[in-house]
Amino acid sequence: AQKITQTQPGMFVQEKEAVTLDCTYDTSDPSYGLFWYKQPSSGEMIFLIYQGSYDQQNATEGRYSLNFQKARKSANLVISASQLGDSAMYFCAMREDSNYQLIWGAGTKLIIKP
Amino acid sequence: ETGVTQTPRHLVMGMTNKKSLKCEQHLGHNAMYWYKQSAKKPLELMFVYNFKEQTENNSVPSRFSPECPNSSHLFLHLHTLQPEDSALYLCASSQDHTGGEKLFFGSGTQLSVL
Repeated sequence: AQKITQTQPGMFVQEKEAVTLDCTYDTSDPSYGLFWYKQPSSGEMIFLIYQGSYDQQNATEGRYSLNFQKARKSANLVISASQLGDSAMYFCAMREDSNYQLIWGAGTKLIIKP
Repeated sequence: ETGVTQTPRHLVMGMTNKKSLKCEQHLGHNAMYWYKQSAKKPLELMFVYNFKEQTENNSVPSRFSPECPNSSHLFLHLHTLQPEDSALYLCASSQDHTGGEKLFFGSGTQLSVL
């Protein structure tokens, strides 16, 4: 069974609009971390944001925020005021404290329209 | 200079060739990783080195041979590859392999096996 599910293979969003990228996860480990990475066409994976399972508040980093709903096991990435440079692949990943390896989703391709 | 540098950016090789991928990190990190990224599939962790010692080998075929001479350099030696090995190979580093640290990635080597 997939541990990280990103249900949106692709999304088109108008520039300056907010966008939500979905991520659901599956784990029985009580302690885990959730990550979002961006991969532009250049290939390099860029870390965006991190949420720990025990964090009380949703993580925020500039225009990025993570909508963490623990009971639903979802960790959606919200990008506010989207820009053309946000066009890229976006990957959700999870690390269970019982296993140091990151588990990755299949990614969502985001295209920002001018 | 970027934090993690990979060479070459592109590589085309025949099934009988021997080639090597190189990764260098300038971040003072102690852990380095090789990932395989195939189209429409989640990233696959191949190898992990922590303080120059291999700590993970995720059932990777022996035609892939990693080498970590020091904490700053990581190689992936390739021989007698198969066409299904064509993919983007990403190198990453982190402070150490406890899993709590974010990964820093290179831009990858796009490998085509003919």
